[in-house]
Amino acid sequence: KAGVTQTPRYLIKTRGQQVTLSCSPISGHRSVSWYQQTPGQGLQFLFEYFSETQRNKGNFPGRFSGRQFSNSRSEMNVSTLELGDSALYLCASSLDSGYTFGSGTRLTVV
Amino acid sequence: DQQVKQNSPSLSVQEGRISILNCDYTNSMFDYFLWYKKYPAEGPTFLISISSIKDKNEDGRFTVFLNKSAKHLSLHIVPSQPGDSAVYFCAALETYKYIFGTGTRLKVLA
Repeated sequence: KAGVTQTPRYLIKTRGQQVTLSCSPISGHRSVSWYQQTPGQGLQFLFEYFSETQRNKGNFPGRFSGRQFSNSRSEMNVSTLELGDSALYLCASSLDSGYTFGSGTRLTVV
Repeated sequence: DQQVKQNSPSLSVQEGRISILNCDYTNSMFDYFLWYKKYPAEGPTFLISISSIKDKNEDGRFTVFLNKSAKHLSLHIVPSQPGDSAVYFCAALETYKYIFGTGTRLKVLA
């Protein structure tokens, strides 16, 4: 059974650019959540999607957005990148309770 | 404001001894908790969970204790092994998301 797949694994972008990260959940999982991990801050919740609908959103600026497609795959987009956006972005899918995480996308903004 | 707190950023334990990782929360409405383990360059992996209707849950070498009156949970690892060296996160379930602590880095010394 394939796990949660995130692409790309690593990304380097310049300030002001925008970036799109992709997440393919485990087959049959309809909920996809996104988290940002930075040193000392733990995992900060970005948003959660279920059947293409955003059900919850964390306290991030509007530059962070996401969407989910009919096949449950999800993307998140960050526009006008700032140095502070450098982080590990984790996607997790779930069927009921508990997450299965992907390996993350390491974004570095220079 | 951090609703889930792991006040010890790091912990070192001798191989074969007990590791105790602690987690405090502020919201008495939280009723489901998880522990995750994270190795570098990998996503977090699920370890063990506990519902508020229980005060203890055991799975092999891992036991989670929940003290609802103190709003405190702890993860015990017995015996600790070098392969347990990782960052451990506790998380509490809120509507459509988990709130994570900042993590405790466990180092098991051989």
